Amino acid sequence: DAGVIQSPRHEVTEMGQEVTLRCKPISGHNSLFWYRQTMMRGLELLIYFNNNVPIDDSGMPEDRFSAKMPNASFSTLKIQPSEPRDSAVYFCASSLDRAGLQPQHFGDGTRLSIL
Amino acid sequence: GENVEQHPSTLSVQEGDSAVIKCTYSDSASNYFPWYKQELGKRPQLIIDIRSNVGEKKDQRIAVTLNKTAKHFSLHITETQPEDSAVYFCAARGGGADGLTFGKGTHLIIQP
Repeated sequence: DAGVIQSPRHEVTEMGQEVTLRCKPISGHNSLFWYRQTMMRGLELLIYFNNNVPIDDSGMPEDRFSAKMPNASFSTLKIQPSEPRDSAVYFCASSLDRAGLQPQHFGDGTRLSIL
Repeated sequence: GENVEQHPSTLSVQEGDSAVIKCTYSDSASNYFPWYKQELGKRPQLIIDIRSNVGEKKDQRIAVTLNKTAKHFSLHITETQPEDSAVYFCAARGGGADGLTFGKGTHLIIQP
């Protein structure tokens, strides 16, 4: 069974550019989470979806960040315009249920560098 | 919201000895507590989890204990091996929320 698939694995771009990160959750999972990992702040929840609907986006740092889930098998996290402080590893995770008592499975992450 | 504190930040043990990592949480309504292992440059991988209606859970060399009254939970690794070297994260799912709040991580070093 394929796990959570993220693309790209690495992204290097100049500040001011638009960045789009992509995620395909595990088939059958109905909850999807976006996390950001930095040395300073650790792993932080940005936003999560249940049945394709955004439930809590209180972790999204600024209006420059947006996320969508147009269908059950695809989600995007967009940063526009990007800034150097957005450099981090962005992880997508999915789980089987809304109740949160099923494990979250992480993708391999996107390592983002903004120059 | 939920707040999770994790200690120590670095733990060095001799191969074969036991390692214990401790976490505290703030939200008394939290009901799910997973532990993740992350090797350098890789994704966090779930190694064990515990729900609030259980006090202890074991899986071979790994065990987790939960004290709801004190709001703390711990990871115990026995007979440590070199491949146990990694960063370990505790997390908690707060009441009314689905996302996880993570501790800052513990870098576990197994000395040969």
